[in-house]
Amino acid sequence: DTAVSQTPKYLVTQMGNDKSIKCEQNLGHDTMYWYKQDSKKFLKIMFSYNNKELIINETVPNRFSPKSPDKAHLNLHINSLELGDSAVYFCASSPSGVDTQYFGPGTRLTVL
Amino acid sequence: GENVEQHPSTLSVQEGDSAVIKCTYSDSASNYFPWYKQELGKRPQLIIDIRSNVGEKKDQRIAVTLNKTAKHFSLHITETQPEDSAVYFCAASITGNQFYFGTGTSLTVIP
Repeated sequence: DTAVSQTPKYLVTQMGNDKSIKCEQNLGHDTMYWYKQDSKKFLKIMFSYNNKELIINETVPNRFSPKSPDKAHLNLHINSLELGDSAVYFCASSPSGVDTQYFGPGTRLTVL
Repeated sequence: GENVEQHPSTLSVQEGDSAVIKCTYSDSASNYFPWYKQELGKRPQLIIDIRSNVGEKKDQRIAVTLNKTAKHFSLHITETQPEDSAVYFCAASITGNQFYFGTGTSLTVIP
């Protein structure tokens, strides 16, 4: 159950702050993702990384920056947090190509 | 880009009845269609998937059908149980680097 892990589980912060969410997978997968799930439960992909290269950036504000120090980690850094950034952020990983994604437990971000 | 529509948004069934959730997609190049179940406060988890070279796939009480011509795919749950209550998401993918999710169906199974 710890195949994809995220820290922290909860994050409460003030507007304007900078924060990071960490993600690690021990599945040996080549591709990692970040998703945002808003209050209406819509799941939207933000980034995907394959072998440390950013492949897709879905019109996400440049305040969000993914950083991958190695194949097993994909961290999400957010600058100048805004109220609208409040959501649950999920990390996921999958083997290379079109295949099953395994999601992390999620990080609930609340911006006050 | 791809557009995935999912219906219904909410669904209530009596325990033991069947539930059907339908999704349509717009890009004929999509070739992988997973279904995820998300329980309250939990992560999405894959329950079944289908690839474009297959028309139907079944796993115990769960089945998925795909109609490539009409560009729609459906999730079928038979003999529903209270533990099937959750939000279900369909998704479509072309390359594996981009997944487009439906808007979710909240399924309630009434004991």
